Amino acid sequence: DIQMTQSPSSLSASVGDRVTITCRASQSISSYLNWYQQKPGKAPKLLIYAASSLQSGVPSRFSGSGSGTDFTLTISSLQPEDFATYYCQQSYSTLRAFGQGTKVEIK
Amino acid sequence: QVQLQESGPGLVKPSGTLSLTCAVSGGSISSSNWWSWVRQPPGKGLEWIGEIYHSGSTNYNPSLKSRVTISVDKSKNQFSLKLSSVTAADTAVYYCARDRKKTVAAPRYFDLWGRGTLVTVSS
Repeated sequence: DIQMTQSPSSLSASVGDRVTITCRASQSISSYLNWYQQKPGKAPKLLIYAASSLQSGVPSRFSGSGSGTDFTLTISSLQPEDFATYYCQQSYSTLRAFGQGTKVEIK
Repeated sequence: QVQLQESGPGLVKPSGTLSLTCAVSGGSISSSNWWSWVRQPPGKGLEWIGEIYHSGSTNYNPSLKSRVTISVDKSKNQFSLKLSSVTAADTAVYYCARDRKKTVAAPRYFDLWGRGTLVTVSS
């Protein structure tokens, strides 16, 4: 099974900060990596698919990069509505696996 | 636009069977997408349960495979989840989601989610 590991598990940041979240796969998954944002009590929302493609309607301050085993999600200038938990997810194998999540909190 | 809505009992007794349905509105379940169930225990992360195609083909998480059945009802434009022999560890918010891709060979992603439904396993 492919394991997904995110770091950090949580971070504190201020509005306007540049934030980077890392996701590592236990084996190469090419670009089969997606990123989701989840706010309390809400369903996850797709931000980035195929490692670097921005989902329609998602602000351009969100970007994704990487391939193989190492991936990053970057928020170029953190906004108040971006405080949430972020998950990576691989779609390389049939067994879809999520990372454990990264909680972005207000500093 | 396409919407997903989960429904089913919010309380299930231990050793019983959890049964949920996801209704697809605004679009056809027979489109070229897979349809998944994902769950999230309170305060924890996301776990993929399994998926189904409109043809009836399924894939399951091996950790749950012995207890899970996902089925599709094209006449009602919905798909369903059954999880048997439940314990307190199965208490979670259960989401249904659409797993799609832009082209035949492209990576897949969950682009559409239901609002989720909390299922508690308790006597």
